[in-house]
Amino acid sequence: NAGVTQTPKFQVLKTGQSMTLQCAQDMNHEYMSWYRQDPGMGLRLIHYSVGAGITDQGEVPNGYNVSRSTTEDFPLRLLSAAPSQTSVYFCASSYLAGDKNIQYFGAGTRLSVL
Amino acid sequence: DQQVKQNSPSLSVQEGRISILNCDYTNSMFDYFLWYKKYPAEGPTFLISISSIKDKNEDGRFTVFLNKSAKHLSLHIVPSQPGDSAVYFCAATTNSGGSNYKLTFGKGTLLTVNP
Repeated sequence: NAGVTQTPKFQVLKTGQSMTLQCAQDMNHEYMSWYRQDPGMGLRLIHYSVGAGITDQGEVPNGYNVSRSTTEDFPLRLLSAAPSQTSVYFCASSYLAGDKNIQYFGAGTRLSVL
Repeated sequence: DQQVKQNSPSLSVQEGRISILNCDYTNSMFDYFLWYKKYPAEGPTFLISISSIKDKNEDGRFTVFLNKSAKHLSLHIVPSQPGDSAVYFCAATTNSGGSNYKLTFGKGTLLTVNP
């Protein structure tokens, strides 16, 4: 049972570098989301997708791009990393069953931008 | 403006006693609420949820209570076990407009259950 898989688990970048955080789910879920968790801030929604080819911005989208070409994958791109993007990033997937939409999270990617 | 508030950053209880974690919300459009548990170096895992049409939901040792008039919910864990020690996040969403996949999280409460 893989569930939601995030790679890499850890990454150190220099300011201005670009990288892609990978997220894959094997549960055939429609919805996928990216959150960041900062100390004392809880989890904040960056971008989300309601299906392949459809994405939208969350609460804190600046500095991040996403695309959803398949149901399984939802990568998060940092085009020019900044120290303010140092955080733990969580990907989640979910499906709608009645009024229930329970999100399943990956183990996270810990990113440091120097 | 924080729409979901967990005002207690930490809580310490003895094994076997009740743990009560509290959560307040300000957005009256929220109609579905969830609790997640998170261990260090892991992603959050779903614990229990409640719809606004109910005022209580139970699942084993875990019960969530919702007071809509006060915009308050609480998670009760009885009896508490050392393995329950984790950060607990309250989250809320609205089922209207097809946006119920967008969760708004509180800052979390660190629960420590002492043997």
